[in-house]
Amino acid sequence: DAKTTQPPSMDCAEGRAANLPCNHSTISGNEYVYWYRQIHSQGPQYIIHGLKNNETNEMASLIITEDRKSSTLILPHATLRDTAVYYCIAVWAGTASKLTFGTGTRLQVTL
Amino acid sequence: ETGVTQTPRHLVMGMTNKKSLKCEQHLGHNAMYWYKQSAKKPLELMFVYNFKEQTENNSVPSRFSPECPNSSHLFLHLHTLQPEDSALYLCASSRDRLADSSGANVLTFGAGSRLTVL
Repeated sequence: DAKTTQPPSMDCAEGRAANLPCNHSTISGNEYVYWYRQIHSQGPQYIIHGLKNNETNEMASLIITEDRKSSTLILPHATLRDTAVYYCIAVWAGTASKLTFGTGTRLQVTL
Repeated sequence: ETGVTQTPRHLVMGMTNKKSLKCEQHLGHNAMYWYKQSAKKPLELMFVYNFKEQTENNSVPSRFSPECPNSSHLFLHLHTLQPEDSALYLCASSRDRLADSSGANVLTFGAGSRLTVL
């Protein structure tokens, strides 16, 4: 699976959009980009995934660049409850169960 | 309530004790997983089960012994652990070990069992 690189931490004001970047420059054509988040002392929670098209669900939007070398997770209106560690994971669909979590981005949402 | 329930939530044990962690899922999933999260380290995959059969053992020491009696239950038996085994142990489940045609294979995690080995 391709390695992903994320900034270690980010801050966001409550009510503003949080844009979390992820670099996956070595991603292959059949690898998906998954995003999970982990609120302190809880299990990770699935957010969204995509292959090459932009995706949106009730939690977030995922924007994948045309060359697929990077992506951005967008939380449109961040709240204090969105404070968590966000993990970007590139994984081949055939082994999508074997998620390799990196260190992620710690997002702090402030008043 | 995520659909994956782990018990106990907290466990303190001595190095000579034998204890077990339990995971139960009510999602109708066929694959179950154990992950370990040590302080300031990324999550590490330990074991994968699919339809009760172990499909992955990520070089886990034998003092950790998994058991999957059916697709809804997963146990992690602990014996003669070391203090460095203190960690958050997370159970997860998914519909299958492989992704579907949309590329989706979403893991649902439990809240974890925090283990302290004295």
